Amino acid sequence: KNEVEQSPQNLTAQEGEFITINCSYSVGISALHWLQQHPGGGIVSLFMLSSGKKKHGRLIATINIQEKHSSLHITASHPRDSAVYICAVIRGTSGSRLTFGEGTQLTVNP
Amino acid sequence: NAGVTQTPKFQVLKTGQSMTLQCAQDMNHEYMSWYRQDPGMGLRLIHYSVGAGITDQGEVPNGYNVSRSTTEDFPLRLLSAAPSQTSVYFCASSYNPDGDTQYFGPGTRLTVL
Repeated sequence: KNEVEQSPQNLTAQEGEFITINCSYSVGISALHWLQQHPGGGIVSLFMLSSGKKKHGRLIATINIQEKHSSLHITASHPRDSAVYICAVIRGTSGSRLTFGEGTQLTVNP
Repeated sequence: NAGVTQTPKFQVLKTGQSMTLQCAQDMNHEYMSWYRQDPGMGLRLIHYSVGAGITDQGEVPNGYNVSRSTTEDFPLRLLSAAPSQTSVYFCASSYNPDGDTQYFGPGTRLTVL
């Protein structure tokens, strides 16, 4: 079983819908990253969080350390949000060495 | 700032050939790492470095060498390419090893025939 599991693997939405992507992990962590991989392949960091909630524009990330679960929400989704969203954790004893989920492919149709 | 740069963008090798994937960053980041991305799998750590002169193995180090002679550069060497090394390779850097924002290069798509 992977240490970092994402759901769903694939998600198709209509423009304007509220989207949730989930990440569960089975190891102790010091922080969790959400990353976005564009169709062209480039990867950008969206959030790094170790507790609570962070918001940037239409994106919201939450984490529950006790339940070992994080969610990424996209409000008022747009076709330009179409990308692969990747959850990655920093294991408690490994410094900045990341362990990645397999990613969630999001397609937002106009 | 150019951020994290990688060269080449694409490469085709024959089995047994060697090559070096280049990675450079101009943000004065101490921590740099190499990942490979394969279909159906998450990114996996190959090697990493916490500063010039210091490198260590990640999850899948076999068949790869690294060195870190300067803060800016972190090349990845394939010693004798194998078809199993066909993948997309990403270099990343961050300011410190304690969970800072990660900056990724654009990737190198490598095919080994």
